[in-house]
Amino acid sequence: GEDVEQSLFLSVREGDSSVINCTYTDSSSTYLYWYKQEPGAGLQLLTYIFSNMDMKQDQRLTVLLNKKDKHLSLRIADTQTGDSAIYFCAESMMDSSYKLIFGSGTRLLVRP
Amino acid sequence: GAVVSQHPSRVICKSGTSVKIECRSLDFQATTMFWYRQFPKQSLMLMATSNEGSKATYEQGVEKDKFLINHASLTLSTLTVTSAHPEDSSFYICSATDSGGAGELFFGEGSRLTVL
Repeated sequence: GEDVEQSLFLSVREGDSSVINCTYTDSSSTYLYWYKQEPGAGLQLLTYIFSNMDMKQDQRLTVLLNKKDKHLSLRIADTQTGDSAIYFCAESMMDSSYKLIFGSGTRLLVRP
Repeated sequence: GAVVSQHPSRVICKSGTSVKIECRSLDFQATTMFWYRQFPKQSLMLMATSNEGSKATYEQGVEKDKFLINHASLTLSTLTVTSAHPEDSSFYICSATDSGGAGELFFGEGSRLTVL
């Protein structure tokens, strides 16, 4: 079945880069997403990548996809305290009407 | 981007009562909406897929009679937690897609349910 895994916690210093990793098992994934969740709030889509791409950059965010290893990463450059949140990766399959399978979430703590 | 709104954002109710949570797509037509449940410090669990004008598709282990989902229009889906119990306390989040473009889902702000 589908499974998405993430490390639970990451702590970085303000100004450093953060790299959040995710592995997934379903090779039929078509889109892979990164969402941000701040305390008590819903999910905010940060970025997504189509499965035939290996990299996508959007301002401070860089997504790398290694389809062979089923590994997805999110790099946040110049991490700020406002980036402290939980980050979820998720995969979706076109034949499942955009049903998302979420990872467990990585809590990012940015230290001043 | 597109906006999905949930209401209420917080609700407290007594055991045995029913609670309705609304999910609205404000600026697009959502043919499909999804309901998730999030436990503290845990990931989101998909409960059901709601298609406009038809019955919802529930994930394994989710009680249909407990969590009633209605998708009566292209902009509104509702989740009713019937005969709520304290173990139903959770954060419920909906998402919607217009089924076009790049398959992007838009999430509501979430509704926190506390059952006393």
